[in-house]
Amino acid sequence: DGGITQSPKYLFRKEGQNVTLSCEQNLNHDAMYWYRQDPGQGLRLIYYSQIVNDFQKGDIAEGYSVSREKKESFPLTVTSAQKNPTAFYLCASSKLPRLGPETQYFGPGTRLLVL
Amino acid sequence: AQKITQTQPGMFVQEKEAVTLDCTYDTSDPSYGLFWYKQPSSGEMIFLIYQGSYDQQNATEGRYSLNFQKARKSANLVISASQLGDSAMYFCAMREGLSGNKLVFGAGTILRVKS
Repeated sequence: DGGITQSPKYLFRKEGQNVTLSCEQNLNHDAMYWYRQDPGQGLRLIYYSQIVNDFQKGDIAEGYSVSREKKESFPLTVTSAQKNPTAFYLCASSKLPRLGPETQYFGPGTRLLVL
Repeated sequence: AQKITQTQPGMFVQEKEAVTLDCTYDTSDPSYGLFWYKQPSSGEMIFLIYQGSYDQQNATEGRYSLNFQKARKSANLVISASQLGDSAMYFCAMREGLSGNKLVFGAGTILRVKS
C-alpha cells in the first residue's frame, strides 16, 4: 500500500545531541513537508521541498536542517541549536502543483523527548 | 497576524447529535482553499473535507459538511449524527493561492462525543 512512514515512533535526545527523524513516501509525490506540533496547538511548518536537492525554510526553521537527496526521502535533523525540541513531528507529502482539493498526506508522526 | 482562528478549545456533543466546529480565516488573496483535518489520539492527520474559494456550493463528504460564508470569512465544519469515534482534535487549515504549497493551521478544537 502507498503511504508515508516515519521512524522512529518515539525518540529521546540528550542535551547537545543531534538527532535525525526519518520520513519516506512511496506515493510518488514531488513535495514533502515537516511540521512541528506542540501540545494543544496546531501544526507549524519547519521545512518543505518541492524537488530533489532543493528545500525552503518554513516558519520555524531555526535549529533544524533537512536534505532531499531522493524523491522518496526527506529526513529532518534536530540540531543542538534547537533549545526546545520536545514536540510531535509530522511529515507530509503532496502532488505538485497543488490544485483545488489536492491535499497533503501525513505520516504517523515521531514524538521527540529530551532527556 | 493569525490567519486561521478556531475559537473553541473544546466541545462536547451527545452521540447521534450534530455539532459545529468554528473556523474563521484571514487572507487578501481571492484564491484560496480551506481544509479540515481530524487528528485522533494516535496522532495521524486525516483529511476530511475541502472548500475552494470559488466553489459555489458548500462542500459535503458523508457526515461532514462545510458551512462556507465567504463574506464573513468563516468555514465551519458540521458533523452530523456524531459517533463515539468522532472524538478527536479537529484542525482547520488554509492554502493561499490556486496552487500554493503551504498550509496554515489553526490551533484546533478537541471534540468529545458522549454516549
